[in-house]
Amino acid sequence: NAGVMQNPRHLVRRRGQEARLRCSPMKGHSHVYWYRQLPEEGLKFMVYLQKENIIDESGMPKERFSAEFPKEGPSILRIQQVVRGDSAAYFCASSGTGHKSGELFFGEGSRLTVL
Amino acid sequence: TQLLEQSPQFLSIQEGENLTVYCNSSSVFSSLQWYRQEPGEGPVLLVTVVTGGEVKKLKRLTFQFGDARKDSSLHITAAQPGDTGLYLCAGPGGSGNTGKLIFGQGTTLQVKP
Repeated sequence: NAGVMQNPRHLVRRRGQEARLRCSPMKGHSHVYWYRQLPEEGLKFMVYLQKENIIDESGMPKERFSAEFPKEGPSILRIQQVVRGDSAAYFCASSGTGHKSGELFFGEGSRLTVL
Repeated sequence: TQLLEQSPQFLSIQEGENLTVYCNSSSVFSSLQWYRQEPGEGPVLLVTVVTGGEVKKLKRLTFQFGDARKDSSLHITAAQPGDTGLYLCAGPGGSGNTGKLIFGQGTTLQVKP
């Protein structure tokens, strides 16, 4: 009974490199959300995807960040040319089509450190 | 812009004490949720409150949604070290897509044995 699976759990990148974070939603879930959490802060919404579609990317920085959720395979959050300010925990959450009152199931997060 | 403000930000108490955490907004929310997050883990949903004035109990935790649906509180009775963690309130943001949540900045609770 796998929950939301994220990998890698920890990722270290140097400034200018690319970071790719993966998320496999819970079985049967077709809605994926990415959130970012800075130290000692709450989570900030980034993007909401359904299979092959970006539904809402209003929280995503306009440059260097992109997300996809292909027909097959995990959702991917991609950060190009990382900077120190990108260091954060990135959480993926999923919900089913009949989710009640916005019940989201979160993964354990991917912690990105930019040197 | 919808915002959720939590207070206090940090709370350190002894085992057995009671505490209350608050979540306030100037905006009306159709529902509010409380999550608990442990270090190195993702948030885990504790409860969803939907009706103004609603009170929900989860063992030693009592959650209340304000009558005007602008605020909520979490009360813990006889806190235990296992209650230590980051408590987050969250509400649906804008469009009605209830998966897009606005989070408060969290209350870090430390319960000392």
